[in-house]
Amino acid sequence: DTAVSQTPKYLVTQMGNDKSIKCEQNLGHDTMYWYKQDSKKFLKIMFSYNNKELIINETVPNRFSPKSPDKAHLNLHINSLELGDSAVYFCASSQSDAQPQHFGDGTRLSIL
Amino acid sequence: QKEVEQNSGPLSVPEGAIASLNCTYSDRGSQSFFWYRQYSGKSPELIMFIYSNGDKEDGRFTAQLNKASQYVSLLIRDSQPSDSATYLCAVNRDDKIIFGKGTRLHILP
Repeated sequence: DTAVSQTPKYLVTQMGNDKSIKCEQNLGHDTMYWYKQDSKKFLKIMFSYNNKELIINETVPNRFSPKSPDKAHLNLHINSLELGDSAVYFCASSQSDAQPQHFGDGTRLSIL
Repeated sequence: QKEVEQNSGPLSVPEGAIASLNCTYSDRGSQSFFWYRQYSGKSPELIMFIYSNGDKEDGRFTAQLNKASQYVSLLIRDSQPSDSATYLCAVNRDDKIIFGKGTRLHILP
């Protein structure tokens, strides 16, 4: 059984479009995250939610909007996509904010 | 000073030898320390976590933590070609985990 699953795995789209990435975890964890890993492989946190409540919102453009309908889901919507948004986006979950994190397989976003 | 620093490598180690990966961190208040392995094109995978000073062993892996000197290391004994990957050090700061940029490890057959 997949612990943290995110869809789609690949997303190729044009500049200016709006897209969403979905994430679900079946581990019963309270905390979920979105990370961005750029071409230099640096993994940087974007958002963190604890039991549907936003905990961390790093300096991310407001074109990025997370939504957590329940504690098992954390989706990421991106408006007006730009070339610099091209990266791999990872969803992760953990029991609490200082506990080990389990990562999804990533969504590779390519902006044409 | 960067929050979590690692040598980017590549670190080349002969098969069967001990690979030593090091990480330093800036926040003295950090309490949780993690090592993740990431193969190319894959997601990070937790290898070890450590909370207390000293050594923690799990199979071929040993994590070492020295809070006074603010470093954490990962030793891989009997290195195998399958250990070739990027190793990410992660440290908690306040209510989030900060990742280092990773060290690329290459095990030479």
